[in-house]
Amino acid sequence: GAVVSQHPSRVICKSGTSVKIECRSLDFQATTMFWYRQFPKQSLMLMATSNEGSKATYEQGVEKDKFLINHASLTLSTLTVTSAHPEDSSFYICSASPGGLKTQYFGPGTRLLVL
Amino acid sequence: SQQGEEDPQALSIQEGENATMNCSYKTSINNLQWYRQNSGRGLVHLILIRSNEREKHSGRLRVTLDTSKKSSSLLITASRAADTASYFCATDEEGAQKLVFGQGTRLTINP
Repeated sequence: GAVVSQHPSRVICKSGTSVKIECRSLDFQATTMFWYRQFPKQSLMLMATSNEGSKATYEQGVEKDKFLINHASLTLSTLTVTSAHPEDSSFYICSASPGGLKTQYFGPGTRLLVL
Repeated sequence: SQQGEEDPQALSIQEGENATMNCSYKTSINNLQWYRQNSGRGLVHLILIRSNEREKHSGRLRVTLDTSKKSSSLLITASRAADTASYFCATDEEGAQKLVFGQGTRLTINP
């Protein structure tokens, strides 16, 4: 089956620093990738949708200058949390789709802790 | 925005019993999907039911969809300890290019 990886799996950083999270589709080309954030015991909240080679579409309330998304190739999307603060601590999950929402494969998630 | 409402929020049953989780939504959809998430992990796709389908089975899973009531249910039969996880429904809204997830049900299977 289709595999999506995320790196790192967990990261601890100091407040004010930037953190980059990678999402890779390992055995298929992903025309679209999605980034979600999940707080403890809550559901997934879509942050943004990215299509290869174009700008990401951000959900209402998500700061595009704070959460930079780059989808430079059909197998890689990155999310950079700039100037991270403790309230950005969360579980970030990506998903990748080869085409159409019916098929969306999720990565294992990245746990971010900002001190 | 999260349109899915799931109930119960938490469910604890004995191994071997059946578990039923419900999901309601508000808009017209193309399909509805159910996912499982083990603690601290990513999501695993369980089953997809299209808007023109009423029931679907996959192993010990049975999903129903009632578009007139805008609701779906997930039944896990003969539960096992390994079924302990959070379960989320997600809808593919008509005209939208994204999935909208419900709040989830935390299922605990007691051995």
